[in-house]
Amino acid sequence: AQTVTQSQPEMSVQEAETVTLSCTYDTSENNYYLFWYKQPPSRQMILVIRQEAYKQQNATENRFSVNFQKAAKSFSLKISDSQLGDTAMYFCAFIERGGSQGNLIFGKGTKLSVKP
Amino acid sequence: KAGVTQTPRYLIKTRGQQVTLSCSPISGHRSVSWYQQTPGQGLQFLFEYFSETQRNKGNFPGRFSGRQFSNSRSEMNVSTLELGDSALYLCASSPTGIAANEQYFGPGTRLTVT
Repeated sequence: AQTVTQSQPEMSVQEAETVTLSCTYDTSENNYYLFWYKQPPSRQMILVIRQEAYKQQNATENRFSVNFQKAAKSFSLKISDSQLGDTAMYFCAFIERGGSQGNLIFGKGTKLSVKP
Repeated sequence: KAGVTQTPRYLIKTRGQQVTLSCSPISGHRSVSWYQQTPGQGLQFLFEYFSETQRNKGNFPGRFSGRQFSNSRSEMNVSTLELGDSALYLCASSPTGIAANEQYFGPGTRLTVT
């Protein structure tokens, strides 16, 4: 069965510093997508970044970047120059590419607190 | 553009009843997906509809069903409610699907089953 594991239930970082959130996954598939979602307190879920497994280049979106290690089945999120608005729950997710009736599988989440 | 809207925002139901939740996607988006979020089970994917057809599906019992209309609005129905169905139900819309790099979430419907 496909699984997604986020081993850090909670993390904190000082404003302006860099933090890395970990995510590992287990699959026998070769083609899939990986995602990081952000859920701020009492605010709507946002898709932060997406990675296509067949692309070796790591995805980046402004201050957010990923370290995708396909062989190790690792997909970590790096947040640079952390801001107070980055305080949120972060979810890692996986779905296989193509086919039908695919399941989008989420990790349990990491609660990130950015401290002033 | 208006964002994703969900109605109602809050709902209280009794065990054994059924409930229907509604999601209106961003104009032009053909994909609507549904999620259940609980403190115990976390965030789980229910299903995705694209152009009125269910395209992807999570591991939920048949009590959970959905449909999508020709205007892309989607409804989710839960029959024979159980206490464990109490959750925040989120929907998201996308131009092309849940694997796309454009996904927009609604504020959610908070369902309480007593």
